[in-house]
Amino acid sequence: DAGVIQSPRHEVTEMGQEVTLRCKPISGHNSLFWYRQTMMRGLELLIYFNNNVPIDDSGMPEDRFSAKMPNASFSTLKIQPSEPRDSAVYFCASSPWTSGDLAKNIQYFGAGTRLSVL
Amino acid sequence: AQTVTQSQPEMSVQEAETVTLSCTYDTSESNYYLFWYKQPPSRQMILVIRQEAYKQQNATENRFSVNFQKAAKSFSLKISDSQLGDTAMYFCAFGDAGNMLTFGGGTRLMVKP
Repeated sequence: DAGVIQSPRHEVTEMGQEVTLRCKPISGHNSLFWYRQTMMRGLELLIYFNNNVPIDDSGMPEDRFSAKMPNASFSTLKIQPSEPRDSAVYFCASSPWTSGDLAKNIQYFGAGTRLSVL
Repeated sequence: AQTVTQSQPEMSVQEAETVTLSCTYDTSESNYYLFWYKQPPSRQMILVIRQEAYKQQNATENRFSVNFQKAAKSFSLKISDSQLGDTAMYFCAFGDAGNMLTFGGGTRLMVKP
C-alpha cells in the first residue's frame, strides 16, 4: 500500500492567493483527518471526516478554510484568501476505524505539506 | 476533554544507551488507546507503538517498550540500544472511542554518537 499521499510537498504562495492542499487516504480507510502543525500551537486537528461526511470541523480556524471529501479516495483543504499566519505544515491522516471497534483507531499520516505564505 | 502532557521538551542520549520519555494524560474515559508517534527531520509522522487501556501487559515493539500505569495515568516510552536514526520528535497521543487523537506537545530526542 502506498500509504496516505499528500500533494504538494511544499507550497509557497503570496498573501491573498488561494491554496489547495490534496490528500489521498489509504484504500479502504473510512476516516480522514486534516491537522495543522506549528511551533507555537503544536498539532491541531482541523477537521475530521467519516465516510466522506464532515463529523467535526470545530478546529477550522475561520471561514477562509474549507475542506471537502467528494469521495472515499480524495480530500482537499482550501485556504482562500491565504495569510502569512497560515504558514505551517498541514497533515492528512486516515484511519480504518468503525464505531465500537476501538482496535481500529489507528491514524496513518501522510508526509505533510509545508505551506509558506509570503 | 482529554489532555496529554509531555514534560520533557528536549532530551539527549548516547548511542547504544537507554532513554525514557515521559507522558501523562487526563481522562474520565475507561476505554481508550495510547500511542507514541515519531517525527524525524523528514517530518513524516510514524506510529511507533500503541497500548490498549484494558490490557495490563505493556506493549513492546523491538527496541521500543512502554510503561503503562493506568491508575497514575502515565504512559512512558523506553528506547533501548538507542540508534542515531532514533533522533526525532516524539509525540504521545490519546485515542478515544470516537476515533479522535489528542496529542502532547512533543519531546525532541537527540541521539549522540
